Amino acid sequence: AQSVTQLDSHVSVSEGTPVLLRCNYSSSYSPSLFWYVQHPNKGLQLLLKYTSAATLVKGINGFEAEFKKSETSFHLTKPSAHMSDAAEYFCVINNNDMRFGAGTRLTVKP
Amino acid sequence: DVKVTQSSRYLVKRTGEKVFLECVQDMDHENMFWYRQDPGLGLRLIYFSYDVKMKEKGDIPEGYSVSREKKERFSLILESASTNQTSMYLCASSPNRLYNSPLHFGNGTRLTVT
Repeated sequence: AQSVTQLDSHVSVSEGTPVLLRCNYSSSYSPSLFWYVQHPNKGLQLLLKYTSAATLVKGINGFEAEFKKSETSFHLTKPSAHMSDAAEYFCVINNNDMRFGAGTRLTVKP
Repeated sequence: DVKVTQSSRYLVKRTGEKVFLECVQDMDHENMFWYRQDPGLGLRLIYFSYDVKMKEKGDIPEGYSVSREKKERFSLILESASTNQTSMYLCASSPNRLYNSPLHFGNGTRLTVT
């Protein structure tokens, strides 16, 4: 069965520094991968999706993710964190059933 | 814009009650999903459906059932509610079985079982 593992339950960065949220996947097939974000007391919002057209995927709010088949990873990055990025982030794998990772809570310190 | 509507935002039920959570989408989506969200566990898939009258078990189907009599409506049923089913329940839909179809979420139902 396919699955994703988010390697950090909590990441804390200072405003203006880079963000790295790590996700590894397990799949027998070429996967479809997504990142979603959930701000406190808000709904889930799609950040970006990997569709095999390009290994580096750009999303909203300056986030991007790189698909690395050799490392079975799909890590989310942003060059410079903003206070408004504080939220919970979910990596998701799809093979006709969308399965979520456990989430990474991002804290941004002033 | 796609709208996924969950019938209740907050619900309080007693142990042993039969509970119905309703979800309606207005964009003729084929796929519908039910998740529960708990702190530290992310979203866990309970059931999903590709078409009317079709259902597939997710990771945690025990204690739940679903119904999809019409394409736009996907109901989650707790046959006999228990306190460990206290959670946030999220319904989602996606257009079709293409692998890159993103999910559209409802606002969630926070269920408390006492």
